[in-house]
Amino acid sequence: QQQVKQSPQSLIVQKGGISIINCAYENTAFDYFPWYQQFPGKGPALLIAIRPDVSEKKEGRFTISFNKSAKQFSLHIMDSQPGDSATYFCAARTGANNLFFGTGTRLTVIP
Amino acid sequence: EPEVTQTPSHQVTQMGQEVILRCVPISNHLYFYWYRQILGQKVEFLVSFYNNEISEKSEIFDDQFSVERPDGSNFTLKIRSTKLEDSAMYFCASSAQVTGAGETQYFGPGTRLLVL
Repeated sequence: QQQVKQSPQSLIVQKGGISIINCAYENTAFDYFPWYQQFPGKGPALLIAIRPDVSEKKEGRFTISFNKSAKQFSLHIMDSQPGDSATYFCAARTGANNLFFGTGTRLTVIP
Repeated sequence: EPEVTQTPSHQVTQMGQEVILRCVPISNHLYFYWYRQILGQKVEFLVSFYNNEISEKSEIFDDQFSVERPDGSNFTLKIRSTKLEDSAMYFCASSAQVTGAGETQYFGPGTRLLVL
């Protein structure tokens, strides 16, 4: 029930392209869905987050699309840059603010 | 910019030994968390802590684990008798609140624990 499924496991995108990472969940009690970015040797850092009452949230080149009925959400990175190369984790939160993470997507942006 | 710090960055220990991982959360935060990430796997929730009490814990957080806030700044995770499968990166996180504007969890850089 607390599982968050994430795909793909790895992604290679050309500079300037669109990176798309997908996540799905089962627990309808989740009320907050953040995306975290992790560089090697660093802890995860919040990138962007959405609540289930909103279908889309955009911050700069990063957009979350949320489909409540399908229990799916995705991260779109527009105009992907080599500096975006990192591991991306989707997560879902219970009311107690405990995060349950997806398995991660290693993004490589080729110059 | 305030940040969560963790010490040590790396720890190697023998199976059966006790280890204490230390964290200094962001100073005005009230909620504290430990997560772990086994190499190549997802980040997993271990425990959350507020007002000197455990708020929630996962199935992973068994009797071998304990947390403590020994003073006004440190937050520690103790593993009483380490097992090989405890080898992982351990992340501490903190947040100002659990909902609303202060809900964001800020993660430290992690402690890589290797149990031999």
